[in-house]
Amino acid sequence: AQSVTQLDSQVPVFEEAPVELRCNYSSSVSVYLFWYVQYPNQGLQLLLKYLSGSTLVKGINGFEAEFNKSQTSFHLRKPSVHISDTAEYFCAVSSYGGSQGNLIFGKGTKLSVKP
Amino acid sequence: DTGVSQDPRHKITKRGQNVTFRCDPISEHNRLYWYRQTLGQGPEFLTYFQNEAQLEKSRLLSDRFSAERPKGSFSTLEIQRTEQGDSAMYLCASSRGDSSYNEQFFGPGTRLTVL
Repeated sequence: AQSVTQLDSQVPVFEEAPVELRCNYSSSVSVYLFWYVQYPNQGLQLLLKYLSGSTLVKGINGFEAEFNKSQTSFHLRKPSVHISDTAEYFCAVSSYGGSQGNLIFGKGTKLSVKP
Repeated sequence: DTGVSQDPRHKITKRGQNVTFRCDPISEHNRLYWYRQTLGQGPEFLTYFQNEAQLEKSRLLSDRFSAERPKGSFSTLEIQRTEQGDSAMYLCASSRGDSSYNEQFFGPGTRLTVL
């Protein structure tokens, strides 16, 4: 079984400051890792994904994440945030080689960007 | 726009009533997923279909819940005898299902409020 822990439920930050949203996962098998963003009253949009290869992955809107297998982490970063980045961010995992049905999500981190 | 659509977007019902939601996936996608998202939580997997076959169901899917995808295209999720604890956002996602990794594209969700 897999699980995902997002260590911060809310992260306030000023515009143009850097931000890191933390995610740790637990799994007995190899996993794919994802970050999704959810704007108010909307569905989820994929920001980036780690499938294999380079541990640093770049996504949309200037976000990037680094897969650290030894620390079982997949933290999301952006060097300079904008007001429009205010949203809720979800880290998720799915196993490969097995069930194709499950994305396991963390509880989410609300990013609030202040002017 | 040919993204995943869901109908209705909002549903308010009284406890004990039955409700049905519809999801139309992206047309060439043969996998369809249902998730439930309660306040302050990440989405939780409910069930998924490969074409018309329901291949996996979560323990969260009680006997009051039933999902169908009769022709392998749109899907319906019915909740019978609704309870206040069923109040949540119900998200639908679809994917191609032709490789070991298939990105899930999410719809805007149906928000259910049970009074």
